[in-house]
Amino acid sequence: DSGVTQTPKHLITATGQRVTLRCSPRSGDLSVYWYQQSLDQGLQFLIQYYNGEERAKGNILERFSAQQFPDLHSELNLSSLELGDSALYFCASSVDGAMGGYTFGSGTRLTVV
Amino acid sequence: SQQGEEDPQALSIQEGENATMNCSYKTSINNLQWYRQNSGRGLVHLILIRSNEREKHSGRLRVTLDTSKKSSSLLITASRAADTASYFCATEANFGNEKLTFGTGTRLTIIP
Repeated sequence: DSGVTQTPKHLITATGQRVTLRCSPRSGDLSVYWYQQSLDQGLQFLIQYYNGEERAKGNILERFSAQQFPDLHSELNLSSLELGDSALYFCASSVDGAMGGYTFGSGTRLTVV
Repeated sequence: SQQGEEDPQALSIQEGENATMNCSYKTSINNLQWYRQNSGRGLVHLILIRSNEREKHSGRLRVTLDTSKKSSSLLITASRAADTASYFCATEANFGNEKLTFGTGTRLTIIP
């Protein structure tokens, strides 16, 4: 157990639907990062939050959004899902920035059918 | 887009042998990190090397960094079956962005 909790572990949904992925960071970590891992694109950075505020944005589609709540947990919302959104979605956390390394959760495997 | 490219993409060696993986990157960095990922699971942080360091050791791991060539290597000595996994390098760019950009990974298979 890394200390970063992601739910659900698996999700199967139809095209056009909307899903919410949840992440609880390791205790004491203020930064949360979301990554998408697919076979053809590798690990792609989506977005970072620090203590409730958006800090950096990567290759995140407009159909995707995220937020970090006062208790520091974060949610990634994916809407109007397409087959190509099928991937592993990882959340990672750190105390502050990348200098100490990230702690990753076990991921949510999203399958869009 | 990927910052780093790893070489080789896949590597199979006998248990007990040493495994070397290489990573090349494009921009100036604050640090470079290596992670391990067992099939379909989360990534695990292995080691971090800062841009002003040239070599670092941690147990059976040895990492080198050549900022002039924008490259790094990860050496795993005396490999074990449990080392079978994918290995990724990740870089933190030095232009004030704290995010890590991951390479494409090397799939390492240790043959018992």
